[in-house]
Amino acid sequence: GAGVSQSPSNKVTEKGKDVELRCDPISGHTALYWYRQSLGQGLEFLIYFQGNSAPDKSGLPSDRFSAERTGGSVSTLTIQRTQQEDSAVYLCASSQQGAPTQYFGPGTRLTVL
Amino acid sequence: AQTVTQSQPEMSVQEAETVTLSCTYDTSESDYYLFWYKQPPSRQMILVIRQEAYKQQNATENRFSVNFQKAAKSFSLKISDSQLGDAAMYFCALQSSGDKLTFGTGTRLAVRP
Repeated sequence: GAGVSQSPSNKVTEKGKDVELRCDPISGHTALYWYRQSLGQGLEFLIYFQGNSAPDKSGLPSDRFSAERTGGSVSTLTIQRTQQEDSAVYLCASSQQGAPTQYFGPGTRLTVL
Repeated sequence: AQTVTQSQPEMSVQEAETVTLSCTYDTSESDYYLFWYKQPPSRQMILVIRQEAYKQQNATENRFSVNFQKAAKSFSLKISDSQLGDAAMYFCALQSSGDKLTFGTGTRLAVRP
């Protein structure tokens, strides 16, 4: 079946602009994760959704970052007032309820000029 | 807090030979999972192999196998009969049940023809 998809593949924006990154998890997967991969910080956890439970936002680096998950499926990561240090690859992953293995999407490369 | 350490930033192997990538970790949890993910230049994180902490038997997937030493908190990956397509970044990752992944800093593997 189809894997995790993310859009856009690449996004270039100007400092101070808002951006939205989208993730479509594997159908039927109840858990969805966002990670950030940057040269200076490596791979970092951002946020985790599990079914209808309150999301685990403990990895969000600032209040400029937010995410939502509509209908238990698609998720959008929003970064407001982007800064150059937000430049990174944003990876989304999903997993089945109770299963440990996370399956990743191809990522969105964000470049903030 | 959980930590994962990969002490080899780069490794090189001759095609058809065997290479071992090292990983050590630290966690206070008794129930956890360990993973090796491969990230080629396409950016897509691909699961290579998974190990459940409660299993004493080392996981094997075709040419990939692990040496899991729970007491030493060590989790190395052995790639046998290396192929050109194995060239990629390899990340070791740790997950407590149903939770986010904690990644190491990665090992870049080059395969010499």
